[in-house]
Amino acid sequence: AQKITQTQPGMFVQEKEAVTLDCTYDTSDPSYGLFWYKQPSSGEMIFLIYQGSYDQQNATEGRYSLNFQKARKSANLVISASQLGDSAMYFCAMREGLGEKLTFGTGTRLTIIP
Amino acid sequence: EAGVAQSPRYKIIEKRQSVAFWCNPISGHATLYWYQQILGQGPKLLIQFQNNGVVDDSQLPKDRFSAERLKGVDSTLKIQPAKLEDSAVYLCASSFLDFPVDGNTIYFGEGSWLTVV
Repeated sequence: AQKITQTQPGMFVQEKEAVTLDCTYDTSDPSYGLFWYKQPSSGEMIFLIYQGSYDQQNATEGRYSLNFQKARKSANLVISASQLGDSAMYFCAMREGLGEKLTFGTGTRLTIIP
Repeated sequence: EAGVAQSPRYKIIEKRQSVAFWCNPISGHATLYWYQQILGQGPKLLIQFQNNGVVDDSQLPKDRFSAERLKGVDSTLKIQPAKLEDSAVYLCASSFLDFPVDGNTIYFGEGSWLTVV
């Protein structure tokens, strides 16, 4: 079974609109962390936001917020007021238990339309 | 603060040849990772170092891939002999702490793009 599932291979969004990128995860470990990374065409993976499994509140970082629904095992990324520079691949990743290894999903290609 | 540095950025080799990639992590970062990202997929961990010791190399194809981090700072990943399916981006990453805690962020370099023909 996939540990991280991103069901949207590609999305097109109008500039200035909000967008939600879906991510579901599968783990039996009560301690885990969820990450979102942005990968522009240059190839670098840019860290966006982190949510710990014991965090009571949804994480926010500027225009990025993480909609964490623990019972549903989902960790969707919300980008508010999208900008042309947001066009990139977005990856959801999970770290389980005491390990530091990240397991990545297959990514969502987001394209912002002027 | 300088980010994770990788070289070369691009490499094209013929199958059965060898190639080496170099990585210099963020200064002071104890943990270094090499990930392989095949086109259309998410990155997959090849090997993880803490200082100069190997923590996890369970997904490293040891018959052809090798990696070292001799002085606990920079690292080299080698492929010999290369196969067509090794065509991928090789991402180096680093993190500050040598033990896992919440939010210990992993920072990535721009990657080394390998094409095997």
